[in-house]
Amino acid sequence: EAGVTQFPSHSVIEKGQTVTLRCDPISGHDNLYWYRRVMGKEIKFLLHFVKESKQDESGMPNNRFLAERTGGTYSTLKVQPAELEDSGVYFCASRAGPSTDTQYFGPGTRLTVL
Amino acid sequence: AQKITQTQPGMFVQEKEAVTLDCTYDTSDPSYGLFWYKQPSSGEMIFLIYQGSYDQQNATEGRYSLNFQKARKSANLVISASQLGDSAMYFCAMGNLQGGSEKLVFGKGMKLTVNP
Repeated sequence: EAGVTQFPSHSVIEKGQTVTLRCDPISGHDNLYWYRRVMGKEIKFLLHFVKESKQDESGMPNNRFLAERTGGTYSTLKVQPAELEDSGVYFCASRAGPSTDTQYFGPGTRLTVL
Repeated sequence: AQKITQTQPGMFVQEKEAVTLDCTYDTSDPSYGLFWYKQPSSGEMIFLIYQGSYDQQNATEGRYSLNFQKARKSANLVISASQLGDSAMYFCAMGNLQGGSEKLVFGKGMKLTVNP
């Protein structure tokens, strides 16, 4: 069974540009989460999808961040326009459903905003 | 609000020895889960072990065990017979299991180095 995959693995952009990160969860997992780790700080929750619906987006830092999960499969996280403080590692995780608690993480996307 | 505290920034252990990684937590939720993840230098987050707050026994997964002391709000990870491949960052996390988003709250992590 394939794990959670994320693309790209690295992205270097200039301030003001747009970047779109993609996450493919484990097949059949209804729950999809985005997290972010800014250098030297804790991994922080961004938002949670159940299928295509946003269950909790309380961690989204501001309206420059837009997450979508059309069709309830893969998800994208767009940052527009990117700022220096957006640099960090963006992790995606998926979880099967209410009977299981474990979230399985992808390898992350390292975003550098110059 | 939930909080995870990992006070050890780094630890060194000799290969084949056991090591305990500390984690304390704070929450007012009666139902929660505790998780440990490993992050090697390659960057991926690898799930290691899970403990539910109502589980009567401590969780074990191979060389990993979780020393869960509910009254003290601690969930220490014990790695037996350390291997060189255990060198990595280790993160303790918790989630509310009562519904909602079940988002995870993470500690700052700690770096384990296994010496030959």
